[in-house]
Amino acid sequence: GAGVSQSPRYKVAKRGQDVALRCDPISGHVSLFWYQQALGQGPEFLTYFQNEAQLDKSGLPSDRFFAERPEGSVSTLKIQRTQQEDSAVYLCASSSARIAGRSYEQYFGPGTRLTVT
Amino acid sequence: GNSVTQMEGPVTLSEEAFLTINCTYTATGYPSLFWYVQYPGEGLQLLLKATKADDKGSNKGFEATYRKETTSFHLEKGSVQVSDSAVYFCALSWGYGNKLVFGAGTILRVKS
Repeated sequence: GAGVSQSPRYKVAKRGQDVALRCDPISGHVSLFWYQQALGQGPEFLTYFQNEAQLDKSGLPSDRFFAERPEGSVSTLKIQRTQQEDSAVYLCASSSARIAGRSYEQYFGPGTRLTVT
Repeated sequence: GNSVTQMEGPVTLSEEAFLTINCTYTATGYPSLFWYVQYPGEGLQLLLKATKADDKGSNKGFEATYRKETTSFHLEKGSVQVSDSAVYFCALSWGYGNKLVFGAGTILRVKS
């Protein structure tokens, strides 16, 4: 389909392992967002890309979290040395926004559920 | 900082009942306001939005009005259906790139 896709859908990691979560945005969407959703909570912003430039990473909880979008399309969120508190659903969203200050709809992927044991 | 507070759930209603889910926000400047819905087993979907004061967003029988004076964006529907059972999130967007700030979500259960 033409929506946002994420892989894997489920990931179980042992504490201390590194994980990589992938997001394929809608084709042509220049803006890409990552959010973290803990159980029973609303999503919380992690980071934002416009094309390949990471313009806002203020929501990344620690230096163990790293995101990239090298060609301005697919993005990867990497978590190093996973901890139990990293267990959550990681959501990716994309939008066609090109202009700051304008509200464009964000289209969300199904998320990756990460469980750290 | 910017934040969104919405009523706690779950909210349980009978089919055809009137729905209100309260949402208030705190923000610097003039954010845009949104309601997102998450149906069981599905991803987040935009339900409706309003970008300036007194705007009314509407979709699928749901409505919400951007009230700057009360910093509110309450979601309403005149007659709910079983298929409306879902988790509803109020959100605002602000700043460069328009990142979203979400409330904690309200579970709605509609019984036939």
